[in-house]
Amino acid sequence: SAVISQKPSRDICQRGTSLTIQCQVDSQVTMMFWYRQQPGQSLTLIATANQGSEATYESGFVIDKFPISRPNLTFSTLTVSNMSPEDSSIYLCSGQGPPEAFFGQGTRLTVV
Amino acid sequence: DQQVKQNSPSLSVQEGRISILNCDYTNSMFDYFLWYKKYPAEGPTFLISISSIKDKNEDGRFTVFLNKSAKHLSLHIVPSQPGDSAVYFCAASEGPNNLFFGTGTRLTVIP
Repeated sequence: SAVISQKPSRDICQRGTSLTIQCQVDSQVTMMFWYRQQPGQSLTLIATANQGSEATYESGFVIDKFPISRPNLTFSTLTVSNMSPEDSSIYLCSGQGPPEAFFGQGTRLTVV
Repeated sequence: DQQVKQNSPSLSVQEGRISILNCDYTNSMFDYFLWYKKYPAEGPTFLISISSIKDKNEDGRFTVFLNKSAKHLSLHIVPSQPGDSAVYFCAASEGPNNLFFGTGTRLTVIP
């Protein structure tokens, strides 16, 4: 199984600022994803991080708000831009084999 | 539209008894199903999976059952232990595509 390191584990940010979350996988995975888990809700896919090209975003998520990079097979970043309190959530990085997906420990973001 | 549903947000079970967590899905093209366990402040960890060509997969205390005609799967934990207390997510995928997750069931195992 893959080991996924994600940082920071938590942060408290001022509204209007941006936060970049880093994700490092210890082995090559075919796909990397970014999820969000809002309180009381399931894991919602934000985007698929594509190596060397623009990420593929799900409905309701846009590149200007959540720019993603994946410069190589084992590393990706997600930036939450121009934050508002509604962005307070847990953000999770995932690497998928296939078929299993493995997750980082998550970033608990609080926007004040 | 939620393609994977877990209708029970919580479940409490006595230690040593069986825990049964249920999951329903709507997309008949899903061919791979997984269960994840999540502790607070941690990412989900993979627990057990089953492909659509099987109806049962067992791994120690954990067994997953798949009923394709009913589009239903369940996770059985027996015997339940206090350390099993966590949120359990079921997930499904069609081929090598991204996973669709249910909303989770919080299991509490009472000592």
